Amino acid sequence: DTEVTQTPKHLVMGMTNKKSLKCEQHMGHRAMYWYKQKAKKPPELMFVYSYEKLSINESVPSRFSPECPNSSLLNLHLHALQPEDSALYLCASSQFKGGSANEKLFFGSGTQLSVL
Amino acid sequence: EDQVTQSPEALRLQEGESSSLNCSYTVSGLRGLFWYRQDPGKGPEFLFTLYSAGEEKEKERLKATLTKKESFLHITAPKPEDSATYLCAVLSGSSNTGKLIFGQGTTLQVKP
Repeated sequence: DTEVTQTPKHLVMGMTNKKSLKCEQHMGHRAMYWYKQKAKKPPELMFVYSYEKLSINESVPSRFSPECPNSSLLNLHLHALQPEDSALYLCASSQFKGGSANEKLFFGSGTQLSVL
Repeated sequence: EDQVTQSPEALRLQEGESSSLNCSYTVSGLRGLFWYRQDPGKGPEFLFTLYSAGEEKEKERLKATLTKKESFLHITAPKPEDSATYLCAVLSGSSNTGKLIFGQGTTLQVKP
């Protein structure tokens, strides 16, 4: 199984809503990532989890709250988002090799988020 | 500052018309250069990793090459199904957590 599964595929939410994005992988990868991608732009790193611990937060606003319940699951909790947060949210995973995260990222298909 | 620049931004080819995409980079110690393909509304799909100058990798109609300053993705006799955005990314020597630096991408359209 070389898939990273993301749910939901599409999400529309109001600025006062609370929602969560989910990501799952069963490749035994111990590094998991959240990326944000705006249209016609490259992915931007948001968070990195290494062995279920948050290792990188790219100065992301607190209305985005990541969670890694176990080595296979990654969540992104959303609260009080702004319309400019509308984007494709991508989850990715990778192995650790030689003490550092292997660079080959496996991406999910993403969640297309629209904030009204 | 680590930086990745891809050119051209967009490329239109006729089916069978070979061409190359460019990825220029400046990083503090290259640990790897990666090519991804991304279809609209989907996540990037891994294509190649190159680690050192002179290295080449091939997959079907695609061939990636690497020098000390840039990488090329050569597309030989492309087909319409090769239409996608191709992303180049680098991992610098200062990173140990897989933070890739992406270029802006080249959007390829192959017409039948």
